[in-house]
Amino acid sequence: GQQVQQSPASLVLQEGENAELQCNFSSTATQLQWFYQSPGGSLVSLLSNPSGTKHTGRLTSTTVTKERRSSLHISSSQTTDSGTYLCAIDVGDNSKLIWGLGTSLVVNP
Amino acid sequence: EAAVTQSPRNKVAVTGGKVTLSCNQTNNHNNMYWYRQDTGHGLRLIHYSYGAGSTEKGDIPDGYKASRPSQENFSLILELATPSQTSVYFCASGDVKTNSDYTFGSGTRLLVI
Repeated sequence: GQQVQQSPASLVLQEGENAELQCNFSSTATQLQWFYQSPGGSLVSLLSNPSGTKHTGRLTSTTVTKERRSSLHISSSQTTDSGTYLCAIDVGDNSKLIWGLGTSLVVNP
Repeated sequence: EAAVTQSPRNKVAVTGGKVTLSCNQTNNHNNMYWYRQDTGHGLRLIHYSYGAGSTEKGDIPDGYKASRPSQENFSLILELATPSQTSVYFCASGDVKTNSDYTFGSGTRLLVI
């Protein structure tokens, strides 16, 4: 089965609302990263958070390693946040990332 | 600015033909990766490399070869392209173990007819 599961699969918000994205994984992760894929397809790394809580801008990630879960909170969403958010983990196997299928976020004006 | 550049951006190939996808990075990262992305499958690793001269099989290497002639360049080669290889291909550089920024290219849309 899928080693990295993301939920919800899709999410629709009104601008200004907050989003909470979840990532659950079945293997012990030595590293966890969140990525953003734009509607045009480009992929960028958002933040790396193997454990604890990290903030960058309007993004907050909380990873509870022993419970094998991570969340990404987007505060005060903007239309430009629309896209797909991907979670990926490294299980220590030669720097190979294992990817979730992503959460598709649509923020309406 | 450090970057990963892929070429071509779009490619139409004939079944049985040879296709080479190129990737160049200016990040000075040791590790480079080739992925394909298909609806319902997410990102799947085809080949990766730890440095010049190194290529390793990823999760779906069948039908693909890779070449890493230098730190900067990493190519993906389809010797005999098939319609099932129609996909979007991404190159990336980085190393999560060292928290090196994982940087992607813009992707190549390949259509095999």
